[in-house]
Amino acid sequence: GNSVTQMEGPVTLSEEAFLTINCTYTATGYPSLFWYVQYPGEGLQLLLKATKADDKGSNKGFEATYRKETTSFHLEKGSVQVSDSAVYFCALSENKAAGNKLTFGGGTRVLVKP
Amino acid sequence: NAGVTQTPKFRVLKTGQSMTLLCAQDMNHEYMYWYRQDPGMGLRLIHYSVGEGTTAKGEVPDGYNVSRLKKQNFLLGLESAAPSQTSVYFCASKGERQAGYYEQYFGPGTRLTVT
Repeated sequence: GNSVTQMEGPVTLSEEAFLTINCTYTATGYPSLFWYVQYPGEGLQLLLKATKADDKGSNKGFEATYRKETTSFHLEKGSVQVSDSAVYFCALSENKAAGNKLTFGGGTRVLVKP
Repeated sequence: NAGVTQTPKFRVLKTGQSMTLLCAQDMNHEYMYWYRQDPGMGLRLIHYSVGEGTTAKGEVPDGYNVSRLKKQNFLLGLESAAPSQTSVYFCASKGERQAGYYEQYFGPGTRLTVT
């Protein structure tokens, strides 16, 4: 079956530091890959996505590249802000699978200190 | 356009009690999902629906039932609550494929505690 593994947190950073959250996946087909973000007390929001190998997703200064050869989709941001404090989830969806279900990683809590 | 809404936001149940969580979406989406979120385990799919009148089991369906009588609503029921069902429950919906991907839209969550 499909699975997503991401680094455990919490990750604590100072403002303007560089952020990397590792994500690797196992899938039987050719999935789409996503990063979702959950701010305190809220539901999940789509942060960025990539639908095929070598695609780069980007949004709000965050980037992730779909690497088929290493089955990875690492999230990066060059200079974090306090407002980036949240839980980040890596996920995949096999588009031809019944229900187009999402498979999530365990989530990584990020805390950015001023 | 409210998106995906969930009621209630919080609930405390005693073991053995029953309750229903309501999810509503106003985006005319065909697909709807129920997830539970537990620390360190991400979100796990409980049940889902690919259209009005349909339901299917997800990864962790035991102890839950669902119904999709109307396209805009997806109900999650607990017939006899257990402490293991203490969790945060999220509903999501998904529309048509856009530019090669499918985005799920999430509700704000329901925090359920079973004592």
